[in-house]
Amino acid sequence: DAGVTQSPTHLIKTRGQQVTLRCSPKSGHDTVSWYQQALGQGPQFIFQYYEEEERQRGNFPDRFSGHQFPNYSSELNVNALLLGDSALYLCASSLANGGSTTGELFFGEGSRLTVL
Amino acid sequence: GNSVTQMEGPVTLSEEAFLTINCTYTATGYPSLFWYVQYPGEGLQLLLKATKADDKGSNKGFEATYRKETTSFHLEKGSVQVSDSAVYFCALSESGSARQLTFGSGTQLTVLP
Repeated sequence: DAGVTQSPTHLIKTRGQQVTLRCSPKSGHDTVSWYQQALGQGPQFIFQYYEEEERQRGNFPDRFSGHQFPNYSSELNVNALLLGDSALYLCASSLANGGSTTGELFFGEGSRLTVL
Repeated sequence: GNSVTQMEGPVTLSEEAFLTINCTYTATGYPSLFWYVQYPGEGLQLLLKATKADDKGSNKGFEATYRKETTSFHLEKGSVQVSDSAVYFCALSESGSARQLTFGSGTQLTVLP
């Protein structure tokens, strides 16, 4: 049973560029969340997608956008990159109605973005 | 808004020592509380959770009790092992569902043989 997979694992961009990160959720999961983890900090919620729509959003500017596809996979796009966008970007999947697993997110290993 | 405050790290212990990592929270309503663990080179994993006051979450010898009166959810283990070396994150979810998690800043634990 494949867990949450993310790509690419590492990438380097320059200021002003755009980046797309990809995520495949754990088999059977229908909800994808994205988090930003700066070095030495805890993850911060960016947004969550369910049924191909953004269901909830954290305190991130519009430069951060996303998409969910019919197969539940997801992309995170960041435009006009800033130095401060350098971080580990984590994807997490879950079930919208998880029953006994409510509250449990399954995380991928992340995509480490460096902005120069 | 919601926030989670964790004990500053890093924490270094000898094998078989007792572990406590403090966590306090601020939230409206009645949040669910979680401990996640991040082993080197791996993604975050749920370690344990508690969904209401006085609940005790436990897993792999780790325990934490949801204390509403002190807004705390301290992580404890009676005897740590080298394999417990990891970063530990306390987190809360206001709705109790797998929606928006608010994380603490993490505590790096190193256990020496």
